[in-house]
Amino acid sequence: QSVLTQPPSVSAAPGQRVTISCAGSSSNIGYNSVSWYQQLPGTAPKLLIYESNKRPSGIPDRFSASKSGTSATLDITGLQTGDEADYYCGTSNSSLNAWVFGGGTKLTVL
Amino acid sequence: QVQLQESGPELVKPSETLSLTCTVSGGYISTYYWNWIRQPPGKGLEWIGSIFSSDITDYNPSLKSRVSISLDSSKKQFSLKLTSVTAADTAVYYCARRAGYSSSWPFDYWGQGTLVTVSS
Repeated sequence: QSVLTQPPSVSAAPGQRVTISCAGSSSNIGYNSVSWYQQLPGTAPKLLIYESNKRPSGIPDRFSASKSGTSATLDITGLQTGDEADYYCGTSNSSLNAWVFGGGTKLTVL
Repeated sequence: QVQLQESGPELVKPSETLSLTCTVSGGYISTYYWNWIRQPPGKGLEWIGSIFSSDITDYNPSLKSRVSISLDSSKKQFSLKLTSVTAADTAVYYCARRAGYSSSWPFDYWGQGTLVTVSS
């Protein structure tokens, strides 16, 4: 099992909104910033969000995120078929002295 | 534009050592944390370890006894060695960059990944 818990899958129709959760603990999310990564089929992960809620240059504002306590959330609005991918949260785990990822969430745009 | 490229054998025999190299182009190598991350087929991401400035390393505790990461700044390369491999080490191996040590610094550049299969 992953240290960070994500739902295995989420789905929604084009144009709709979807939320992906990432649950952790006081050793990881509760104490550290969270980043989110998008992995399109057959490609390497791509940075989507850093410092829990900031977007790198080039990432559309349809992607947003937040953190509260020991959980983090990624929101995607105005869903497009091109958003179909696996999404991973990640952060540092202080008790393990290691970087940890969530198990990943597969987004299906119906 | 920073680019990372993994290279190394695609097939490794059980009990042998997996060796990969990541070549960095388009940027400095000396002021960043360089990482290895792997992804077994159909599964999630697992951080293997990182290196900074040739002698500061951190490893995933679950792999620490078998992992070694080194840095050759003159060649702009860093390398991974994983000993005593088994089929469970079959994965796509990615190299990736972080600009700092704290969690505020994400993995901002990734290599395309290379599939390493452990099989006799």
